[in-house]
Formats: sequence, structure tokens, C-alpha cells
Amino acid sequence: DTAVSQTPKYLVTQMGNDKSIKCEQNLGHDTMYWYKQDSKKFLKIMFSYNNKELIINETVPNRFSPKSPDKAHLNLHINSLELGDSAVYFCASSQFQGSWGTQYFGPGTRLLVL
Amino acid sequence: GQQLNQSPQSMFIQEGEDVSMNCTSSSIFNTWLWYKQDPGEGPVLLIALYKAGELTSNGRLTAQFGITRKDSFLNISASIPSDVGIYFCAGHSDDMRFGAGTRLTVKP
Repeated sequence: DTAVSQTPKYLVTQMGNDKSIKCEQNLGHDTMYWYKQDSKKFLKIMFSYNNKELIINETVPNRFSPKSPDKAHLNLHINSLELGDSAVYFCASSQFQGSWGTQYFGPGTRLLVL
Repeated sequence: GQQLNQSPQSMFIQEGEDVSMNCTSSSIFNTWLWYKQDPGEGPVLLIALYKAGELTSNGRLTAQFGITRKDSFLNISASIPSDVGIYFCAGHSDDMRFGAGTRLTVKP
């Protein structure tokens, strides 16, 4: 069984569109994250949620809005997509906040904005 | 936040050789992490370090949390072809920062 799953795996869309990426974890973890990996492979944390509450909100445009309907799900909605949003977005989870040693990543969503 | 200084950027080695890579920062961290990423996959945590001076092994991998809390290294002994991939360091204190990655190629 997949521990952290994301959909879709690939997303190609036009500039200006709104899109969502979904993430689910079946590990019973309390904390979930969104990361962005650019074309140079730089990884950067975007958001962290602990038990559905926003904990970390790095400097990310407010076009990006995470939503956690329950602690097993953390979705990412992006409004008015821009070319620079093209990247791989990874969801991750950890047992609880700060337990980095228990962190698992999803397979990534490859977003291409044309 | 500013990325960590990870080196080398890439390595080309022969199967059986040992590998060493490191990360440095001007900031102090409370946690150091090492990940491996295979093509088309998400990063996988290899080793997590929580105390200055801590030396931890995971099979052929050994990592250390620098005594100054500003650096960490990862060693891989007796490399094999499946060690190929990108290795990332990450440090956490108030925020999470990543190195740019070390791309490892192992020639059989």
C-alpha cells in the first residue's frame, strides 16, 4: 500500500488557470507538508499542517492555498498559474510535528505551465 | 531561506569505492537530515541526526552531525550501482533548508 499518494502525477496547463493537487497519507501521521522542487532540483518547504492546522507557511504567493479537510489529506490549490510555477510538487507526512526522522514523501506532481 | 552549501555537486565513481559528501552553513541547526532521490521519485530519508557530534549508520551509510552544528557529512562505503541518485542534505532549526544535491554516478 502506498504510504503517501498524490494526484495527478503529471499536470500540464495554461497560464492563468486554476488547478489543484491532492495528497493522502495512510500512515496515521499528524503532520503533512508541501514542498516545491524547481528545475535545478532545489527543494523548498512551502507549507506544513499539524492535525489540520497550518504550522509553517513559508514565503509563498497567496495564489497557493493549502487545505486540509482531515489529518490524512492535504490538498494544494493554485490560482492564476504562472510560468514560474512549473516545478515538481511533493507532499510529505511525518508522525508528528518536528519528527523529521519519520518523514515520508509522495511520488511528486510534475506541473508544467505553458 | 538560503540553501545549504552542499558539495560536491556531482561525483563519478567506480563500483566499490567509498563516497563522501558534506553540507555546511553559516547558521546553526538542531537537526540534520540526509535524503536520496531516484529519478521520477520523491526523496527518501536515509539518516536523521539530532545531536551535535552524533554519528549514525544505516547499512553502508554513515552520517555525522558536526560539533559546531553548522555542518554534516554523509559517507557511503563500498558503493554499488543502485547507489546512483541525488543525495540531499537538509537542516532544520526555525525553518527547513536544503542543499542543492550531490548527483552520484556509479560505474560498474
